[in-house]
Amino acid sequence: AQKVTQAQTEISVVEKEDVTLDCVYETRDTTYYLFWYKQPPSGELVFLIRRNSFDEQNEISGRYSWNFQKSTSSFNFTITASQVVDSAVYFCALSDSNYQLIWGAGTKLIIKP
Amino acid sequence: DGGITQSPKYLFRKEGQNVTLSCEQNLNHDAMYWYRQDPGQGLRLIYYSQIVNDFQKGDIAEGYSVSREKKESFPLTVTSAQKNPTAFYLCASRAYGTRYNEQFFGPGTRLTVL
Repeated sequence: AQKVTQAQTEISVVEKEDVTLDCVYETRDTTYYLFWYKQPPSGELVFLIRRNSFDEQNEISGRYSWNFQKSTSSFNFTITASQVVDSAVYFCALSDSNYQLIWGAGTKLIIKP
Repeated sequence: DGGITQSPKYLFRKEGQNVTLSCEQNLNHDAMYWYRQDPGQGLRLIYYSQIVNDFQKGDIAEGYSVSREKKESFPLTVTSAQKNPTAFYLCASRAYGTRYNEQFFGPGTRLTVL
């Protein structure tokens, strides 16, 4: 069965701290895609990144970075020098062979000023 | 600007009434999705459609119905058979193909049953 686990329900840090959100997945597919989405208080989900199973290169985009490790079935997300605007719920998702998304439960990130 | 619109933003319904949530996209995407999100929870798939005039049940389709008469529109009807409809409803769309398979979301509709 396919599954996405985000074990951290809520994380609270002080502004400017680095924070890592964990995502562990299970799949038997050899080709799959992993995603991260951000849901700010307004509610709309914002797409952050897609990574396919053949590309294990880490990705960096500004203060955001993603570490994909097939050996541990993990796709972790790090925010460097966090800001209050980063406060949101972050979801990790796995795409199955029919392109349906299997969602993690989400991690609520609170950045305190 | 291309995107997904959902209306209304807030919707109040009396028990026993059917209501229809609108979802329109001008991204020329083939696939469209409806999700339900309860407070503090993740997303659950209600229905999805990969082409016009075809749709499939998701994990929690009971008490909901959809139609896909046009590529850009995928309305969701919450029927009186849905026992606990108060939730946040999100519509999404996806371009067809293996490379660009991320879903893009609308702003959502918050439905409250009075």
